[in-house]
Amino acid sequence: SYVLTQPPSVSVAPGQTARITCGGNNIGSKSVHWYQQKPGQAPVLVVYDDSDRPSGIPERFSGSNSGNTATLTISRVEAGDEADYYCQVWDSSSDALVFGTGTKVTVL
Amino acid sequence: QVQLQESGPGLVKPSETLSLTCTVSGGSISSYYWSWIRQPPGKGLEWIGYIYYSGSTNYNPSLKSRVTISVDTSKNQFSLKLSSVTAADTAVYYCARVTPSIAAAGYYFDYWGQGTLVTVSS
Repeated sequence: SYVLTQPPSVSVAPGQTARITCGGNNIGSKSVHWYQQKPGQAPVLVVYDDSDRPSGIPERFSGSNSGNTATLTISRVEAGDEADYYCQVWDSSSDALVFGTGTKVTVL
Repeated sequence: QVQLQESGPGLVKPSETLSLTCTVSGGSISSYYWSWIRQPPGKGLEWIGYIYYSGSTNYNPSLKSRVTISVDTSKNQFSLKLSSVTAADTAVYYCARVTPSIAAAGYYFDYWGQGTLVTVSS
């Protein structure tokens, strides 16, 4: 089965930039989607199709995808961005939807 | 604005069948895919399966032998049944709408329910 690997944690100071990686075999050939999950809440889609944002999601959230790594970038980080972030793809070989291992973003 | 709400027992005994229903409001269940996802306490997200409004399904291979997802378009609802549960099935269960990716083959979850905790214990 297809595996998506994320760093367990990322720490960033307010106003700085957070980069969260999602590694997978030839992930650049897939569409990658990102979710934000705050404690006790359901996940929220923040980026879809590698780099598109749903309405209502700040421009501070952006995404890129190439080779074996996809990246979610949060610019000008705010305290409210502290959450768990998950990447997700569809694996055509197994016809399964797969989530990454998740990254906890801590705002210092 | 599409809204989803999970309902069902919060406690299930080991070896029994977990049953949950998701009610969709603010839009029709037709012409979309609908999915179940779960999250064990303190752990990550796991996709369980999805159903198209017409009734066609696709399940996570790791759970396929125990999962059934069905849809009732007249009630704007879809349901999950997970058989032979163990403590490892204790999790928050989410229902979500699935949207096909335009850029490339694939799907993502654009609307989620609030989730419901199901505990497996005698």
